[in-house]
Amino acid sequence: GIQVEQSPPDLILQEGANSTLRCNFSDSVNNLQWFHQNPWGQLINLFYIPSGTKQNGRLSATTVATERYSLLYISSSQTTDSGVYFCAVDNYGQNFVFGPGTRLSVLP
Amino acid sequence: DTEVTQTPKHLVMGMTNKKSLKCEQHMGHRAMYWYKQKAKKPPELMFVYSYEKLSINESVPSRFSPECPNSSLLNLHLHALQPEDSALYLCASSRSRPNEQFFGPGTRLTVL
Repeated sequence: GIQVEQSPPDLILQEGANSTLRCNFSDSVNNLQWFHQNPWGQLINLFYIPSGTKQNGRLSATTVATERYSLLYISSSQTTDSGVYFCAVDNYGQNFVFGPGTRLSVLP
Repeated sequence: DTEVTQTPKHLVMGMTNKKSLKCEQHMGHRAMYWYKQKAKKPPELMFVYSYEKLSINESVPSRFSPECPNSSLLNLHLHALQPEDSALYLCASSRSRPNEQFFGPGTRLTVL
């Protein structure tokens, strides 16, 4: 089945810093989503981005499907950005697979 | 309404109990999903319903029994669970498969 990797596994930032999270996948996908899981377990949709670039406030994402990777950019990080960031991919309806996540801690 | 709701929020059950988890959405989505998430791990797909028909069962033990009574409602019936089944159970829906998924807040299950 499709493999999804995320890097880095852990990230500690000072408030106000910028960061880039990466998601690599091993096969063609027709759906890619980025989620933020808050400390209470809620998965919050950040981007639905099978290809191209999108921006939402301080967050932006780029997926290069032909090279099988996606990037999530967080600018001017805030303590509320802390949590786990997951990318998940759909392998043409066969499955919806999550990467292992990046655990982000933003310090005041 | 862009919300997926799940009840209960927390559930504690013994290994001989029978209980059910409930998930509801009113977005007109025709695909609904159950995921299981253990601590410090990503969610893992358990079941997928598409147009009220089970389309994917990821080899889940029979002590978990899904039910989709209509396009808005998804249940997960639990019977004779083991302590290792303790986890966060997440429900999601999407307009169709494959498409953007929206998740509920989850049910945190503890099996004693």
